[in-house]
Amino acid sequence: LAKTTQPISMDSYEGQEVNITCSHNNIATNDYITWYQQFPSQGPRFIIQGYKTKVTNEVASLFIPADRKSSTLSLPRVSLSDTAVYYCLVDTGRRALTFGSGTRLQVQP
Amino acid sequence: EAGVAQSPRYKIIEKRQSVAFWCNPISGHATLYWYQQILGQGPKLLIQFQNNGVVDDSQLPKDRFSAERLKGVDSTLKIQPAKLEDSAVYLCASSLRAGGLNEQFFGPGTRLTVL
Repeated sequence: LAKTTQPISMDSYEGQEVNITCSHNNIATNDYITWYQQFPSQGPRFIIQGYKTKVTNEVASLFIPADRKSSTLSLPRVSLSDTAVYYCLVDTGRRALTFGSGTRLQVQP
Repeated sequence: EAGVAQSPRYKIIEKRQSVAFWCNPISGHATLYWYQQILGQGPKLLIQFQNNGVVDDSQLPKDRFSAERLKGVDSTLKIQPAKLEDSAVYLCASSLRAGGLNEQFFGPGTRLTVL
């Protein structure tokens, strides 16, 4: 299983853009890169998924370089409600997810 | 669309007692997962079902944990007997299928405290 490495925590202020980078040096050809968000007392929630280049949805953007050994989740103009733990995962979609410890994002006013 | 339902939301038991958790996945989702999340850590897979068959239970402590998914819909996870280290949140998730772009939908979890 590909292992991911991401910062333990990040701080930001409302209105700023937040970029969380994840490294996955051993990603396999069939692996997708997926990000989940988890609020306290809730289960994780899917944010975005991609295979290469750039993916954008109404919540975030995901940037993946050509070698796919890292990825960056970009949250535009964060608000207090974006305070959560963000998990980077790689998987083929054929098995359950392997979560690391995630990145704790704290957004301040 | 209704989400993944779990009950109870909270449970407090003493060590060596038994406990059971229930999960009702999103209608039509063939794949169901049980995860254990210890405070400060990411969720860890316990067992994965595809319909009513077990796909992966390699991390399930089978001497005390058991799970079933009768008729390929609802699922129960049981711990017997519980240990102090079983204190955690137990998350149920479901997905339409296992394969391709696989988005998992998680329930709110059951917080278990073992005293």
